Amino acid sequence: EAEVAQSPRYKITEKSQAVAFWCDPISGHATLYWYRQILGQGPELLVQFQDESVVDDSQLPKDRFSAERLKGVDSTLKIQPAELGDSAMYLCASSKEVGSVGEKLFFGSGTQLSVL
Amino acid sequence: AQTVTQSQPEMSVQEAETVTLSCTYDTSENNYYLFWYKQPPSRQMILVIRQEAYKQQNATENRFSVNFQKAAKSFSLKISDSQLGDTAMYFCAFMTPGVTDKLIFGTGTRLQVFP
Repeated sequence: EAEVAQSPRYKITEKSQAVAFWCDPISGHATLYWYRQILGQGPELLVQFQDESVVDDSQLPKDRFSAERLKGVDSTLKIQPAELGDSAMYLCASSKEVGSVGEKLFFGSGTQLSVL
Repeated sequence: AQTVTQSQPEMSVQEAETVTLSCTYDTSENNYYLFWYKQPPSRQMILVIRQEAYKQQNATENRFSVNFQKAAKSFSLKISDSQLGDTAMYFCAFMTPGVTDKLIFGTGTRLQVFP
């Protein structure tokens, strides 16, 4: 069964360093999401792409976070500089298109970020 | 603002027994969807069950069923014949279809199934 691929699985970095996470959605999925899950909380949407266009980035801290999906396939989420409060799990998800109403939303296994 | 509340941080149940996880939500929308997701130690979110708000009939998927009370804005998950593999975090989530289909999650309930 096709899966959403994420790497790295774990990342440890020091405060003020730059980090990047990669996500490869299921082939043919036009919509890609990045969620952040802080320990003890549910995931929160950071950014949503439809193909290469950003649909929703209202919760993305744009002073330090950036996300791109240049060819409408895989995506990179970057944090520069990292802060202690960025320690969390970063989940990527994909679906065929907006409007599939979550039924066909597939999640990756996430990248666990620890900022020291 | 739309919110999802899960008031049970942790629950436990014995294998083969039944357990119910609670979820309440707040919205002024009339058209929306509710979901229960499972997150095992592998961390991958897995859809357990979903409910369309316009449907009065409660959704059922094998051992999983929901009790959807629209007026009370309540959406509980019942797991029957609990299995060890049901041990996981369970998240209730809400979504209003539109330009985006952003999921709003609760804080989760950690379920432990004991042999």
